Amino acid sequence: DAGVIQSPRHEVTEMGQEVTLRCKPISGHDYLFWYRQTMMRGLELLIYFNNNVPIDDSGMPEDRFSAKMPNASFSTLKIQPSEPRDSAVYFCASSLDGEETQYFGPGTRLLVL
Amino acid sequence: QKEVEQDPGPLSVPEGAIVSLNCTYSNSAFQYFMWYRQYSRKGPELLMYTYSSGNKEDGRFTAQVDKSSKYISLFIRDSQPSDSATYLCATSHSGNTGKLIFGQGTTLQVKP
Repeated sequence: DAGVIQSPRHEVTEMGQEVTLRCKPISGHDYLFWYRQTMMRGLELLIYFNNNVPIDDSGMPEDRFSAKMPNASFSTLKIQPSEPRDSAVYFCASSLDGEETQYFGPGTRLLVL
Repeated sequence: QKEVEQDPGPLSVPEGAIVSLNCTYSNSAFQYFMWYRQYSRKGPELLMYTYSSGNKEDGRFTAQVDKSSKYISLFIRDSQPSDSATYLCATSHSGNTGKLIFGQGTTLQVKP
């Protein structure tokens, strides 16, 4: 299996622009997670889905952030408008009920100037 | 107070040393405890997984959970330069199918 796929791997944008991050989970996995990692705050869960339905979005920092999962093989995290404090590494992870681990993608490094 | 506290280090040890990494947590309802390893510019990957209290051993790695003191430990024996990475402890109410609460991560460097 190719593992969790994220795109783009790097994104540099200017403040105020819209940013869309993409994730393809491992085939057959029924849970999908979006995390954000910064030096100051560590790794934080933003939102997660079960069978394409959002279960917990309490970690989404504000209304500028939105996430969708239109089907089992694709999810997006959108920031509109972006701000410099959104600069971080964003990870997508997927898991299968009954297994022990969440499988993380390689991350998207976002820099908002 | 953070739900999971972890000293970020960095921790530097010579090759062959025994390494002890630790976390504390605040919520006694947590039942699942994990250690993830993250190499530079990579995503975290599961290293050890335990349910409730006790020890679990896997090769050179031993995970220990003491629920009475809300303390999580990871021991690495005969440390190798390839063990150089950031180690993140994590806890959860519901295993891998729910919210994982991560510690800050401890950066470990094993010098040859």
